[in-house]
Amino acid sequence: GAVVSQHPSRVICKSGTSVKIECRSLDFQATTMFWYRQFPKQSLMLMATSNEGSKATYEQGVEKDKFLINHASLTLSTLTVTSAHPEDSSFYICSAHSDLDYGYTFGSGTRLTVV
Amino acid sequence: EDKVVQSPLSLVVHEGDTVTLNCSYEVTNFRSLLWYKQEKKAPTFLFMLTSSGIEKKSGRLSSILDKKELSSILNITATQTGDSAIYLCAVPMNRDDKIIFGKGTRLHILP
Repeated sequence: GAVVSQHPSRVICKSGTSVKIECRSLDFQATTMFWYRQFPKQSLMLMATSNEGSKATYEQGVEKDKFLINHASLTLSTLTVTSAHPEDSSFYICSAHSDLDYGYTFGSGTRLTVV
Repeated sequence: EDKVVQSPLSLVVHEGDTVTLNCSYEVTNFRSLLWYKQEKKAPTFLFMLTSSGIEKKSGRLSSILDKKELSSILNITATQTGDSAIYLCAVPMNRDDKIIFGKGTRLHILP
């Protein structure tokens, strides 16, 4: 079945540095990729939606210059947290959608800790 | 291999019907099981289940975990058209580590 591989699963970085998170669809083409941030009490916030080959659409309140999303191919989307701050520490999850499949395939998440 | 399997993948019922959605899991270091409802922006959190046999209830929705059977069910009674959505089951595996989502059940309620 459809699988999305998300890496790294955990990362610790220093304030001011940048971190890149990758999501790859292993056996299908992800025409759309969603990036979420998980908050306490398990709620998920949609940060942005990206379509292959075009600019990502960011949700209100999400800084696009801080959270850079690239969806250069149908199998790879990346989220780069630039100039990370401790308040960026969170759990980030991607989800891929294919035009050929009604469902959403989630990555396994990345726990980011900024120190 | 860790996995979460939901069934059915798709379900169409009439308003007023009761539905039962299933989620089974095979994961190491099980900690909890989460149910979400996905409509538009992002999955909305419904329940977190950690203990077997204890029903969680919220209005017409209820859920229960069976650790012996490695499964959970989500019940929706007296369904309404607003219940139409994809219902996702997810299992966090370790503290601050991976989370495995099922493919979801697409529920469509006919008026």
